[in-house]
Amino acid sequence: RKEVEQDPGPFNVPEGATVAFNCTYSNSASQSFFWYRQDCRKEPKLLMSVYSSGNEDGRFTAQLNRASQYISLLIRDSKLSDSATYLCVVLMNTGFQKLVFGTGTRLLVSP
Amino acid sequence: NAGVTQTPKFQVLKTGQSMTLQCAQDMNHNSMYWYRQDPGMGLRLIYYSASEGTTDKGEVPNGYNVSRLNKREFSLRLESAAPSQTSVYFCASSHGSDYGYTFGSGTRLTVV
Repeated sequence: RKEVEQDPGPFNVPEGATVAFNCTYSNSASQSFFWYRQDCRKEPKLLMSVYSSGNEDGRFTAQLNRASQYISLLIRDSKLSDSATYLCVVLMNTGFQKLVFGTGTRLLVSP
Repeated sequence: NAGVTQTPKFQVLKTGQSMTLQCAQDMNHNSMYWYRQDPGMGLRLIYYSASEGTTDKGEVPNGYNVSRLNKREFSLRLESAAPSQTSVYFCASSHGSDYGYTFGSGTRLTVV
């Protein structure tokens, strides 16, 4: 089983739609969680951290379910500029602390 | 605000050639990392340096060496390039592993 698993997509949605991505992780002791965004042929960039109580940043909402070991990202009122790959990232301690990246979920927002 | 700077951006090597990828950060971060990204594999950690003066192996260290030259610079060396090392390489830095990483713009390496 992969340490961090995501549906690769692509998710094709029209502008203005609401879209949600889920991610599952294998290590129940993981403490920190993030969503990164990666545009085509660019570096990953931190989108937001994910807190236990859930957190919101504008149109983006992240949630954590520790019992089920999954993380979600909700994007409301999708924009064309939201088209990108969204990486689920988990801090794991496997002898040393490291960020483990999912393979990403691709989002395509169309006019 | 340069952030994390990687050079070169593109490189083509012949099998057996060597090269060094350079990375520098100006954010006074303690920790630096080298990742490779391959289609369908996600980002995989090659080596990391938790602080100046220390380096450790990640998931896929074979065929690579690193040097943490000072707090700012962390280089990745391929001693004898192989086609399996064709990939996009990203350097990243952070205050610590519990914080988000800042990535460089990447090096696209092709080994023929």
